Amino acid sequence: GIQVEQSPPDLILQEGANSTLRCNFSDSVNNLQWFHQNPWGQLINLFYIPSGTKQNGRLSATTVATERYSLLYISSSQTTDSGVYFCAVNNRLAFGKGNQVVVIP
Amino acid sequence: NAGVTQTPKFQVLKTGQSMTLQCAQDMNHEYMSWYRQDPGMGLRLIHYSVGAGITDQGEVPNGYNVSRSTTEDFPLRLLSAAPSQTSVYFCASSYSGLAGSYNEQFFGPGTRLTVL
Repeated sequence: GIQVEQSPPDLILQEGANSTLRCNFSDSVNNLQWFHQNPWGQLINLFYIPSGTKQNGRLSATTVATERYSLLYISSSQTTDSGVYFCAVNNRLAFGKGNQVVVIP
Repeated sequence: NAGVTQTPKFQVLKTGQSMTLQCAQDMNHEYMSWYRQDPGMGLRLIHYSVGAGITDQGEVPNGYNVSRSTTEDFPLRLLSAAPSQTSVYFCASSYSGLAGSYNEQFFGPGTRLTVL
């Protein structure tokens, strides 16, 4: 099946810093989503982005489907951004192992 | 809309016991699915359904059964629980499971299951 790799696996940020999370996938995709899993375990939809660029407040995402990667940008990070960020692809949602992000005040 | 709901939130079983995890959605979504999440890992697909009366296996189906008698409900059954099934279980739904369709999936809050 399709392989999904996320980097970096762990990231510690000072509050206010910017960061970029990367998702590489091994084959063409028809669906790509980014999720945030908060410290309580809840999965929150961030972006549905099989291609192109989207922005939502301090977060934005870009998927370059032809080059098989997607990027999630976090700007002016806040402590509430802490958690695990997952990239998942295709209709049966193959997940990466996530990016563990800790934002310290 | 309540979205995707799951019950119970927590459950402890003994090896060999059976139970059913409940999942319901009120968004009239055709596609529903079950995932499990183990520590340090992403979610893995157990079973899915593209509509009432239709189910299929995902990546890790062994030890689990599903049925889909209505659009709204998609229960997951553990027939004889094993310690290897200790995990967090998530249910999800979307409008369609068809390639090329709008398939944003929405997740329930999860059920934390421990098998002793």
